[in-house]
Amino acid sequence: QQKVQQSPESLTVSEGAMASLNCTFSDRSSDNFRWYRQHSGKGLEVLVSIFSDGEKEEGSFTAHLNRASLHVFLHIREPQPSDSALYLCAVKTGYQNFYFGKGTSLTVIP
Amino acid sequence: NAGVIQTPRHKVTGKGQEATLWCEPISGHSAVFWYRQTIVQGLEFLTYFRNQAPIDDSGMPKERFSAQMPNQSHSTLKIQSTQPQDSAVYLCASSLVVRGSGNTLYFGEGSRLIVV
Repeated sequence: QQKVQQSPESLTVSEGAMASLNCTFSDRSSDNFRWYRQHSGKGLEVLVSIFSDGEKEEGSFTAHLNRASLHVFLHIREPQPSDSALYLCAVKTGYQNFYFGKGTSLTVIP
Repeated sequence: NAGVIQTPRHKVTGKGQEATLWCEPISGHSAVFWYRQTIVQGLEFLTYFRNQAPIDDSGMPKERFSAQMPNQSHSTLKIQSTQPQDSAVYLCASSLVVRGSGNTLYFGEGSRLIVV
């Protein structure tokens, strides 16, 4: 079964400073990756999807996938306090379900 | 488009009682998923339906949990004889398709179940 791990568990950055989140997965044949954000008490909001090695940018969010090293990163450019939330990595292989990491709790301080 | 709708948002139930959670997926989406979220375990897959048919329930605790999708606009998750360890946020999600770029999961806001 796919194992998805995220680091760090929590991260605090100053407003405007780049935030970088890490996600590792165990199945090298995984072909579908999503980053989600969850504000407290709310559902999950998809931020960026990536399907092949390289980078994918959506607004201030950039996902970087390296399947050889089993890593997918999320970089948040110039985060604002409103970006404070739980960030979740989701990984899928073929018709299997998405497996999620436990998340990184991001706090952006003004 | 109202998004995925889950009811109730909060439910407190006594140990041993039954709890039923409802989900209305986004219209036109062919797949519906149920996940459970806790601080300790994170987001755990429970089960999913494609075109109303149950496809994978490998994450469901076998004895007390059941899920149904009687029509394309409605799915239920039922927990019998609830236990304190069932306390969690139960999230429903739907996707347009199961494979490919269109299989982004769109989540509801969840049903928070507290078993006392």
